[in-house]
Amino acid sequence: AQSVTQLGSHVSVSEGALVLLRCNYSSSVPPYLFWYVQYPNQGLQLLLKYTSAATLVKGINGFEAEFKKSETSFHLTKPSAHMSDAAEYFCAVTGSSNTGKLIFGQGTTLQVKP
Amino acid sequence: DVKVTQSSRYLVKRTGEKVFLECVQDMDHENMFWYRQDPGLGLRLIYFSYDVKMKEKGDIPEGYSVSREKKERFSLILESASTNQTSMYLCASRGGGNSPLHFGNGTRLTVT
Repeated sequence: AQSVTQLGSHVSVSEGALVLLRCNYSSSVPPYLFWYVQYPNQGLQLLLKYTSAATLVKGINGFEAEFKKSETSFHLTKPSAHMSDAAEYFCAVTGSSNTGKLIFGQGTTLQVKP
Repeated sequence: DVKVTQSSRYLVKRTGEKVFLECVQDMDHENMFWYRQDPGLGLRLIYFSYDVKMKEKGDIPEGYSVSREKKERFSLILESASTNQTSMYLCASRGGGNSPLHFGNGTRLTVT
């Protein structure tokens, strides 16, 4: 069975500072991992995904994430935060089955201060 | 681009009413999902469907049912709405393999 833990329900950074959102997963099969972003009153948009190719994955809006099997982690980073990055971020995991249901973490709200 | 459309953005219903939430996708995806989203709990899977007329329970199916008569449409039904079903409901679809979920904009349901 798969599970996801996002450390920190709220993260606050200053504009221009490094963004680090933490995600740890548990999976009994080789995982596929995803990060999604949700802006207010909208659905979730895909930021990036890991599907067993390169361990460093680049996504949209300057975000990237590194898959570390030894640490069972898939942390999301961005070198320099923008005000527009303020949103809720979700990490998700799925196994390799074709039904493909995703298990989501609890979410992390990113606040960006001017 | 994949489009997932949920029929209502906001809905207010009374306790005991039967409620239908509709979702349509335009990418011929086999897999469709209903999640509910609550603060501090993230997204929890209610039901999913991997083919027409096929459905499987997710993590929190109690009080809900679903219908998938056509590939593009997946309906969530609250047989008798209760106040603890006040929530944001998100529909999503997905192709096979490692393809990502595509979400609709959500329906915010309030049960009074």
